[in-house]
Amino acid sequence: QVQLVQSGAEVKKPGASVKVSCKASGYTFTSYGISWVRQAPGQGLEWMGWISAYNGNTNYAQKLQGRVTMTTDTSTSTAYMELRSLRSDDTAVYYCARDLIIIAAAGTYYYYGMDVWGQGTTVTVSS
Amino acid sequence: QSALTQPASVSGSPGQSITISCTGTSSDVGSYNLVSWYQQHPGKAPKLMIYEGSKRPSGVSNRFSGSKSGNTASLTISGLQAEDEADYYCCSYAGTRVFGTGTKVTVL
Repeated sequence: QVQLVQSGAEVKKPGASVKVSCKASGYTFTSYGISWVRQAPGQGLEWMGWISAYNGNTNYAQKLQGRVTMTTDTSTSTAYMELRSLRSDDTAVYYCARDLIIIAAAGTYYYYGMDVWGQGTTVTVSS
Repeated sequence: QSALTQPASVSGSPGQSITISCTGTSSDVGSYNLVSWYQQHPGKAPKLMIYEGSKRPSGVSNRFSGSKSGNTASLTISGLQAEDEADYYCCSYAGTRVFGTGTKVTVL
C-alpha cells in the first residue's frame, strides 16, 4: 500500500539542526512531490515547503527561507527536511505528505492535494 | 503569505448540515480553483477530504462537498455524524501553499 514512514522523535538544543526523513513506498516516488508541514503544540498546520522528487526543484515558505533545506534520494525513495538554527518555537510535529501539482500547457493547473501523509515526527527544541 | 481565514468553531447536531468557510484573497483562493480540505482528528495526521475545490478522493464520503465563490471557499458536511467531530483545514495553492487557520467541528 502507498505509505510514507518518517524517522523518530528528536530532541535538540537551541541553535542546533535537525534532519527528518520520509521514506515512500507503494508508488513511483519520482512521479510526485513531497510537501513538509508542521504543527506546533495546540496550533494549526503550517506549510514549510515542497520538493519535486522528479527533478529536485524546491519551493520554500518565505518565513523559513535560509533555514530549511529539502532534498530527496531517489535510490531509496526517501525525502529529507533539514531545519537549522533551531529555536524553541520550532518545537512541533513535522509531517511529510505526497503532493502533486501539474502545470500543463497554456498555464492550466491541476492540483491533487496532499493525499498521503506520514505519521509525523515530534521535534522538541529545549535547552 | 498570510493564513486563510476560517471560523474557529462550528457545531451541529447529528443529521444536520454545516458549512465551514475559508476566506483568502484574489491572489490565492480567488485566482485558482485549487483549494483542498483536510480533516484532522486529535493526535492523528491530516486526511485529504476535498481537492481542486470540489473533488473527493476515492474513499471519502459523499457527505463532504466543496465549493467556491470569489475569494471564499466552503466545505459542507451533510448528515453530520459523531465521527465528523475533528479539526478541518483549508489549503490554497498559489504558487506556494497556504493553510487556513483551522475550524473545530463539534457534533452536539
